[in-house]
Amino acid sequence: GQNIDQPTEMTATEGAIVQINCTYQTSGFNGLFWYQQHAGEAPTFLSYNVLDGLEEKGRFSSFLSRSKGYSYLLLKELQMKDSASYLCAVIPGGATNKLIFGTGTLLAVQP
Amino acid sequence: GAVVSQHPSRVICKSGTSVKIECRSLDFQATTMFWYRQFPKQSLMLMATSNEGSKATYEQGVEKDKFLINHASLTLSTLTVTSAHPEDSSFYICSAPGLAGVADTQYFGPGTRLTVL
Repeated sequence: GQNIDQPTEMTATEGAIVQINCTYQTSGFNGLFWYQQHAGEAPTFLSYNVLDGLEEKGRFSSFLSRSKGYSYLLLKELQMKDSASYLCAVIPGGATNKLIFGTGTLLAVQP
Repeated sequence: GAVVSQHPSRVICKSGTSVKIECRSLDFQATTMFWYRQFPKQSLMLMATSNEGSKATYEQGVEKDKFLINHASLTLSTLTVTSAHPEDSSFYICSAPGLAGVADTQYFGPGTRLTVL
């Protein structure tokens, strides 16, 4: 089976840094995505990792360790608008572009 | 950028009726599209892979006779929820990969909110 786990909820303060973790156990691995989703809307692409290491894009960074089946999304200089669900998704082996989503993390940014 | 549309955005129907949801790739061709379902406060669950010109591939536990998928052209996939019941009420989202062989492109539709009374 495919298991992709994230913390259910997190709370952070405006201006701070928050790290959202994702652990996965899948039948093969062809890449990992992070998406942001506001309630009632489609997911919005944040990052894509296929090799180990850190990918930085503005206030958002994503890290991957394939040997550990682990990724995290780092959000810096948090803003109120960052309050949303953050979804980790994996492309398992043997499938092209098929995404398996994690449980999702609801982030609440407080003033 | 590439756009995927869904129609309708919201639908309310009576229990026992069938509902069709369309997913279109507006400016690119998609031989494959994916259908997801999302219950409140939960993540997206992959239901099936829609393949142009052939049968859809359903994920384990998804009833293929209840969720009919047709991928009649390179820009259109439809999901029909047959004999809908209140437990089928959910947010249905489709997606399509972009450039062939480029795994980091995946375009999502805006979603369809289905409410079954």
